[in-house]
Amino acid sequence: QKEVEQDPGPLSVPEGAIVSLNCTYSNSAFQYFMWYRQYSRKGPELLMYTYSSGNKEDGRFTAQVDKSSKYISLFIRDSQPSDSATYLCAMSTTGFQKLVFGTGTRLLVSP
Amino acid sequence: GAVVSQHPSRVICKSGTSVKIECRSLDFQATTMFWYRQFPKQSLMLMATSNEGSKATYEQGVEKDKFLINHASLTLSTLTVTSAHPEDSSFYICSARVMLELNTEAFFGQGTRLTVV
Repeated sequence: QKEVEQDPGPLSVPEGAIVSLNCTYSNSAFQYFMWYRQYSRKGPELLMYTYSSGNKEDGRFTAQVDKSSKYISLFIRDSQPSDSATYLCAMSTTGFQKLVFGTGTRLLVSP
Repeated sequence: GAVVSQHPSRVICKSGTSVKIECRSLDFQATTMFWYRQFPKQSLMLMATSNEGSKATYEQGVEKDKFLINHASLTLSTLTVTSAHPEDSSFYICSARVMLELNTEAFFGQGTRLTVV
């Protein structure tokens, strides 16, 4: 069993839709949870990160962590074609060291 | 945000040759850099952690003699793939850990697509 599971997609939505991206994990020691966006042939770019459980909102993006269920989510409101990318969840036990990544979900937002 | 520059972005080499990939932090000092490898449709997998002035720490299953990492300064880390073979073809990405005012963050380079023919 992989430490972090993420549906690879692709997930296709129309412009303006609310997008829900999710990851599950097995290691209860994970405390830091990140979401990265990766455009084709580029390095990942940090979108959000949270420590422990709870919600965090930044503009159109909301990150949720449910440690009891070992489940994290990223919601994108009013999705735009420019949001089309691969979204990677990542987590670690010690901040931004030794990140464990999901496979990434490819999101396609059509105009 | 902080910028991490990785070079080259693409390289094609012949089997048996060595390839060096550079990772530079442009506007900050990175005491710790990480090297990842990403195969198509798979996760980024951590290969090694590199601390300035000391030997890199390799993850299980990563051959340290094949993937040579040098972190000689606070702004530069290099990964050399020695005696490359077609199975080494992959997307290699570096990441630099930076201490910010309230927390730390990791910034990623643009990645290097290595093709061994």
